[in-house]
Amino acid sequence: DTEVTQTPKHLVMGMTNKKSLKCEQHMGHRAMYWYKQKAKKPPELMFVYSYEKLSINESVPSRFSPECPNSSLLNLHLHALQPEDSALYLCASSQWAGEKLFFGSGTQLSVL
Amino acid sequence: QKEVEQNSGPLSVPEGAIASLNCTYSDRGSQSFFWYRQYSGKSPELIMSIYSNGDKEDGRFTAQLNKASQYVSLLIRDSQPSDSATYLCAVNIGLTQGPSGTYKYIFGTGTRLKVLA
Repeated sequence: DTEVTQTPKHLVMGMTNKKSLKCEQHMGHRAMYWYKQKAKKPPELMFVYSYEKLSINESVPSRFSPECPNSSLLNLHLHALQPEDSALYLCASSQWAGEKLFFGSGTQLSVL
Repeated sequence: QKEVEQNSGPLSVPEGAIASLNCTYSDRGSQSFFWYRQYSGKSPELIMSIYSNGDKEDGRFTAQLNKASQYVSLLIRDSQPSDSATYLCAVNIGLTQGPSGTYKYIFGTGTRLKVLA
C-alpha cells in the first residue's frame, strides 16, 4: 500500500464553521506534512510532524490547528476561516523528515 | 533572493525532443533534491530524487546535480504529450540532523512544460 488517503476531496464551509481534514498513510512513514496550494503556485509548507511531534510550524494562523493522533493519522482542524484560505490542502508523508514525499490527492477547500 | 528558483515557462518542445528543466537554489546546506510532476488539478508526484553530485538516470528521465554551482536539472528524453505538466523542483535543507531531525522542504515555483504533438 503506497497511498496517502485524504478526506474529504471537496469541502465548502462558511466563515463560522468548524471542520476537519483527515489524512492517513499505512507505509510506516514517520514524517507527515500539511501543505497549502493556491492555483498556479507551488505547495506552501504549513506543518511538519516527525515521529508524531510537531517539528515545524510555518507561522500558520491559529485558525488552522494540526493534530497527529498516531503515526498513521494526521488531521487539520479548521475554524473561523477566511475566504482567502480557499485553496487545495495537501497532505504528504515521507519515511522520515527530509526524504521524498508521497502526496495525497488533496482537499479542495472553498470558504464562503 | 528566492530560495529555490525555476523559470515558470511555458517551455514548449516538440514530441520526441529532449526537454531540459533547470532549478537553482540558494542554501549551500541543502542536502537532497527532488523533481515532482503535477498535472493540472492533481497533486504532485515524485519523478526523481538526487543526493550527490552527478547524473542519475531513470528511464527517460535524468536528474543532474551540481552542488558547487547550486543547480539541479531534469532532462526528459523522447518527450511525449503526456509529459505536459508543471515540474516542481524541491530542495530539502536540514535544520537539525538525523531521522527525527528538522528539515525544511522548499518548492520552486514550477516550470510548465508543453510537449507539442
